[in-house]
Amino acid sequence: GNSVTQMEGPVTLSEEAFLTINCTYTATGYPSLFWYVQYPGEGLQLLLKATKADDKGSNKGFEATYRKETTSFHLEKGSVQVSDSAVYFCALCRGSGTYKYIFGTGTRLKVLA
Amino acid sequence: DTGVSQDPRHKITKRGQNVTFRCDPISEHNRLYWYRQTLGQGPEFLTYFQNEAQLEKSRLLSDRFSAERPKGSFSTLEIQRTEQGDSAMYLCASSLSLAGDPDTQYFGPGTRLTVL
Repeated sequence: GNSVTQMEGPVTLSEEAFLTINCTYTATGYPSLFWYVQYPGEGLQLLLKATKADDKGSNKGFEATYRKETTSFHLEKGSVQVSDSAVYFCALCRGSGTYKYIFGTGTRLKVLA
Repeated sequence: DTGVSQDPRHKITKRGQNVTFRCDPISEHNRLYWYRQTLGQGPEFLTYFQNEAQLEKSRLLSDRFSAERPKGSFSTLEIQRTEQGDSAMYLCASSLSLAGDPDTQYFGPGTRLTVL
Protein backbone atom coordinates (compact mmCIF):
# COMPACT_ATOMS: atom_id res chain seq x y z
CA GLY A 1 0.00 0.00 0.00
CA ASN A 2 0.91 3.67 0.01
CA SER A 3 2.98 4.90 2.93
CA VAL A 4 5.39 7.57 4.13
CA THR A 5 8.34 6.97 6.43
CA GLN A 6 10.07 9.82 8.25
CA MET A 7 13.13 9.83 10.41
CA GLU A 8 12.32 9.70 14.08
CA GLY A 9 12.84 12.70 16.24
CA PRO A 10 13.36 14.69 18.14
CA VAL A 11 16.10 16.41 16.20
CA THR A 12 18.00 18.95 18.27
CA LEU A 13 20.25 21.47 16.53
CA SER A 14 22.05 24.65 17.38
CA GLU A 15 21.04 27.85 15.63
CA GLU A 16 22.59 28.20 12.14
CA ALA A 17 23.18 24.44 11.83
CA PHE A 18 22.28 22.53 8.66
CA LEU A 19 19.05 20.58 8.77
CA THR A 20 18.06 17.38 6.99
CA ILE A 21 14.86 15.50 7.76
CA ASN A 22 14.57 12.29 5.78
CA CYS A 23 11.36 11.21 4.12
CA THR A 24 10.83 8.18 1.90
CA TYR A 25 7.61 6.96 0.38
CA THR A 26 5.94 3.96 -1.15
CA ALA A 27 3.24 4.62 -3.69
CA THR A 28 1.83 3.43 -6.96
CA GLY A 29 1.88 5.85 -9.84
CA TYR A 30 3.25 9.34 -9.52
CA PRO A 31 2.15 10.95 -6.28
CA SER A 32 2.49 14.59 -5.32
CA LEU A 33 4.66 15.17 -2.26
CA PHE A 34 4.31 17.73 0.50
CA TRP A 35 5.96 19.00 3.64
CA TYR A 36 3.73 20.51 6.29
CA VAL A 37 4.83 22.22 9.50
CA GLN A 38 3.00 22.42 12.80
CA TYR A 39 4.19 25.13 15.17
CA PRO A 40 3.33 24.78 18.86
CA GLY A 41 -0.36 25.41 19.44
CA GLU A 42 -1.10 25.96 15.75
CA GLY A 43 -2.59 24.01 12.86
CA LEU A 44 -0.80 22.34 9.97
CA GLN A 45 0.66 24.75 7.43
CA LEU A 46 1.91 23.88 3.98
CA LEU A 47 5.65 24.43 3.79
CA LEU A 48 6.42 23.25 0.25
CA LYS A 49 5.36 20.75 -2.38
CA ALA A 50 6.51 18.98 -5.55
CA THR A 51 4.36 17.33 -8.17
CA LYS A 52 6.74 15.33 -10.37
CA ALA A 53 10.16 13.74 -10.43
CA ASP A 54 13.12 16.13 -10.05
CA ASP A 55 10.86 19.02 -9.02
CA LYS A 56 12.28 21.09 -6.20
CA GLY A 57 9.93 22.71 -3.75
CA SER A 58 11.20 25.64 -1.70
CA ASN A 59 9.89 28.11 0.85
CA LYS A 60 11.33 30.14 3.75
CA GLY A 61 14.82 28.74 3.13
CA PHE A 62 13.59 25.13 3.17
CA GLU A 63 14.03 22.90 0.12
CA ALA A 64 13.09 19.37 -0.90
CA THR A 65 13.65 17.54 -4.19
CA TYR A 66 11.33 14.83 -5.50
CA ARG A 67 13.65 11.87 -6.17
CA LYS A 68 11.77 9.09 -7.89
CA GLU A 69 14.78 6.79 -8.19
CA THR A 70 15.21 6.73 -4.41
CA THR A 71 11.52 7.42 -3.60
CA SER A 72 12.60 10.23 -1.33
CA PHE A 73 11.67 13.83 -0.52
CA HIS A 74 14.16 14.93 2.13
CA LEU A 75 13.69 18.34 3.72
CA GLU A 76 16.77 20.57 4.03
CA LYS A 77 17.63 24.01 5.32
CA GLY A 78 21.06 25.54 5.29
CA SER A 79 20.82 27.52 8.53
CA VAL A 80 18.07 26.90 11.05
CA GLN A 81 16.68 29.46 13.47
CA VAL A 82 15.06 29.06 16.86
CA SER A 83 11.76 30.00 15.20
CA ASP A 84 11.98 26.85 13.04
CA SER A 85 11.29 24.71 16.10
CA ALA A 86 8.17 22.75 15.20
CA VAL A 87 6.94 19.35 14.05
CA TYR A 88 7.45 18.60 10.36
CA PHE A 89 5.23 16.17 8.44
CA CYS A 90 5.94 14.61 5.07
CA ALA A 91 2.87 13.59 3.07
CA LEU A 92 1.89 12.16 -0.29
CA CYS A 93 -1.21 12.45 -2.42
CA ARG A 94 -1.59 9.80 -5.05
CA GLY A 95 -4.26 11.63 -7.06
CA SER A 96 -5.91 9.69 -9.88
CA GLY A 97 -9.27 9.48 -8.18
CA THR A 98 -8.13 9.51 -4.58
CA TYR A 99 -7.15 12.82 -3.04
CA LYS A 100 -6.48 11.89 0.56
CA TYR A 101 -3.12 12.68 2.04
CA ILE A 102 -1.01 9.97 3.63
CA PHE A 103 1.22 11.43 6.31
CA GLY A 104 4.37 10.31 8.01
CA THR A 105 4.53 10.26 11.79
CA GLY A 106 6.19 13.66 12.00
CA THR A 107 9.64 14.78 13.12
CA ARG A 108 10.01 17.21 15.98
CA LEU A 109 12.75 19.80 15.51
CA LYS A 110 14.17 21.77 18.40
CA VAL A 111 16.61 24.56 17.66
CA LEU A 112 18.68 25.92 20.51
CA ALA A 113 20.01 29.47 20.65
CA ASP B 1 -8.60 35.96 3.94
CA THR B 2 -10.62 33.52 6.03
CA GLY B 3 -9.04 30.13 6.50
CA VAL B 4 -10.62 26.86 7.53
CA SER B 5 -12.44 27.16 10.84
CA GLN B 6 -13.55 24.43 13.22
CA ASP B 7 -15.91 24.47 16.15
CA PRO B 8 -15.58 23.70 18.97
CA ARG B 9 -11.83 23.84 19.54
CA HIS B 10 -12.08 21.58 22.56
CA LYS B 11 -14.68 19.05 23.63
CA ILE B 12 -14.72 16.95 26.77
CA THR B 13 -17.39 14.29 26.97
CA LYS B 14 -18.22 11.16 28.89
CA ARG B 15 -18.02 7.74 27.35
CA GLY B 16 -21.23 6.82 25.59
CA GLN B 17 -22.25 10.37 24.73
CA ASN B 18 -22.65 11.67 21.18
CA VAL B 19 -20.59 14.59 19.89
CA THR B 20 -20.75 16.69 16.74
CA PHE B 21 -18.04 18.84 15.25
CA ARG B 22 -18.37 21.50 12.58
CA CYS B 23 -15.98 22.59 9.86
CA ASP B 24 -16.26 25.67 7.67
CA PRO B 25 -13.93 25.43 4.66
CA ILE B 26 -12.41 28.23 2.65
CA SER B 27 -15.39 29.61 0.79
CA GLU B 28 -14.59 28.68 -2.81
CA HIS B 29 -13.13 25.26 -2.02
CA ASN B 30 -15.09 22.31 -3.37
CA ARG B 31 -13.29 19.50 -1.51
CA LEU B 32 -13.44 18.97 2.21
CA TYR B 33 -11.53 16.38 4.23
CA TRP B 34 -11.61 15.00 7.76
CA TYR B 35 -8.54 13.54 9.47
CA ARG B 36 -7.82 12.26 12.95
CA GLN B 37 -4.51 12.84 14.72
CA THR B 38 -3.41 11.13 17.91
CA LEU B 39 -0.46 12.19 20.03
CA GLY B 40 2.86 11.63 18.35
CA GLN B 41 1.32 10.50 15.08
CA GLY B 42 0.59 12.06 11.74
CA PRO B 43 -2.97 12.78 10.67
CA GLU B 44 -4.95 9.79 9.41
CA PHE B 45 -7.54 10.20 6.70
CA LEU B 46 -11.18 9.61 7.64
CA THR B 47 -13.32 10.83 4.75
CA TYR B 48 -13.68 13.45 2.06
CA PHE B 49 -16.37 15.28 0.12
CA GLN B 50 -16.45 16.84 -3.27
CA ASN B 51 -19.22 19.40 -3.05
CA GLU B 52 -21.97 17.53 -1.16
CA ALA B 53 -20.97 14.04 -2.28
CA GLN B 54 -19.01 11.85 0.12
CA LEU B 55 -16.55 10.16 -2.23
CA GLU B 56 -14.21 8.19 0.00
CA LYS B 57 -14.30 6.78 3.50
CA SER B 58 -11.50 5.15 5.44
CA ARG B 59 -11.90 1.80 7.16
CA LEU B 60 -11.09 3.82 10.31
CA LEU B 61 -14.54 5.35 10.01
CA SER B 62 -16.63 2.89 11.99
CA ASP B 63 -20.41 2.92 11.86
CA ARG B 64 -20.39 5.16 14.94
CA PHE B 65 -18.95 7.94 12.80
CA SER B 66 -20.97 9.88 10.26
CA ALA B 67 -20.10 12.94 8.24
CA GLU B 68 -22.25 15.23 6.16
CA ARG B 69 -21.84 18.20 3.90
CA PRO B 70 -25.44 18.97 3.07
CA LYS B 71 -25.09 22.00 0.81
CA GLY B 72 -21.53 21.61 -0.27
CA SER B 73 -20.36 24.24 2.18
CA PHE B 74 -19.80 23.45 5.87
CA SER B 75 -19.48 19.89 7.12
CA THR B 76 -20.29 18.08 10.34
CA LEU B 77 -18.67 15.01 11.84
CA GLU B 78 -20.71 13.12 14.42
CA ILE B 79 -19.44 10.41 16.71
CA GLN B 80 -22.09 8.34 18.44
CA ARG B 81 -21.56 6.40 21.66
CA THR B 82 -18.06 7.78 22.15
CA GLU B 83 -15.30 5.54 23.45
CA GLN B 84 -12.06 6.48 25.15
CA GLY B 85 -10.19 5.43 22.01
CA ASP B 86 -11.93 8.24 20.13
CA SER B 87 -9.88 10.79 22.07
CA ALA B 88 -7.84 12.61 19.43
CA MET B 89 -7.51 15.83 17.47
CA TYR B 90 -10.00 15.95 14.60
CA LEU B 91 -8.72 17.99 11.68
CA CYS B 92 -10.63 19.43 8.79
CA ALA B 93 -9.03 20.53 5.54
CA SER B 94 -10.30 21.97 2.29
CA SER B 95 -8.98 22.32 -1.23
CA LEU B 96 -9.92 23.62 -4.63
CA SER B 97 -9.64 21.02 -7.35
CA LEU B 98 -8.23 22.43 -10.55
CA ALA B 99 -7.37 20.41 -13.63
CA GLY B 100 -3.66 19.76 -13.80
CA ASP B 101 -2.93 21.06 -10.30
CA PRO B 102 -2.38 18.79 -7.32
CA ASP B 103 -4.77 19.52 -4.54
CA THR B 104 -3.13 21.56 -1.84
CA GLN B 105 -5.09 21.04 1.34
CA TYR B 106 -5.49 23.86 3.87
CA PHE B 107 -6.02 22.73 7.41
CA GLY B 108 -8.10 24.13 10.21
CA PRO B 109 -6.91 24.39 13.82
CA GLY B 110 -8.62 21.14 14.82
CA THR B 111 -11.07 20.03 17.49
CA ARG B 112 -9.51 18.26 20.42
CA LEU B 113 -11.80 15.56 21.78
CA THR B 114 -11.30 14.05 25.21
CA VAL B 115 -13.51 11.13 26.19
CA LEU B 116 -13.57 10.43 29.92
